[in-house]
Amino acid sequence: AQKVTQAQTEISVVEKEDVTLDCVYETRDTTYYLFWYKQPPSGELVFLIRRNSFDEQNEISGRYSWNFQKSTSSFNFTITASQVVDSAVYFCALWVDYKLSFGAGTTVTVRA
Amino acid sequence: DAGVTQSPTHLIKTRGQQVTLRCSPKSGHDTVSWYQQALGQGPQFIFQYYEEEERQRGNFPDRFSGHQFPNYSSELNVNALLLGDSALYLCASTGGTIYNEQFFGPGTRLTVL
Repeated sequence: AQKVTQAQTEISVVEKEDVTLDCVYETRDTTYYLFWYKQPPSGELVFLIRRNSFDEQNEISGRYSWNFQKSTSSFNFTITASQVVDSAVYFCALWVDYKLSFGAGTTVTVRA
Repeated sequence: DAGVTQSPTHLIKTRGQQVTLRCSPKSGHDTVSWYQQALGQGPQFIFQYYEEEERQRGNFPDRFSGHQFPNYSSELNVNALLLGDSALYLCASTGGTIYNEQFFGPGTRLTVL
């Protein structure tokens, strides 16, 4: 069975601060993908990033970056120089066998 | 290119009633997955349809059923509604070469009174 844990329930920062979201996952499968989604108040899930289990290279995409470490089963996500529009609920998700398992989400509030 | 669409947007039902939610996948996608998201929680996988058949199912009772039509659109049916069925129901479609990327619709907010 798959499991995703997001230990942080809420994070509040001031604009331009960096925000790091933690994610720990569990799976016995060797082939899997990890995702981060953003859910604004409108409710629609917005895809942010994807990383496969065979690629631990960490990258930066605009203001987003991620740190994937298989040794600790962690897939952390960072928003650099946060903006008010980044305020949303962020979900980490694990894709195995054609379906996604989500964490409980972290609510990020960016104050002006 | 239209994305995933869902209808209705909001729905209010009473306990014991039945409800049908609808989803049209993104153009070119042939697989539809349904998720239930209770307030304050992450989405939970209900089931997935591919080639008009249920390919996988999550830990949901038989009151939850679905269907996929030849045009790949899908319906989610819930019978004998309970208060605990109140949630945002999300539809996601997959297809093409990126088989693991699911595109989500805006969801249907179901309230059971």
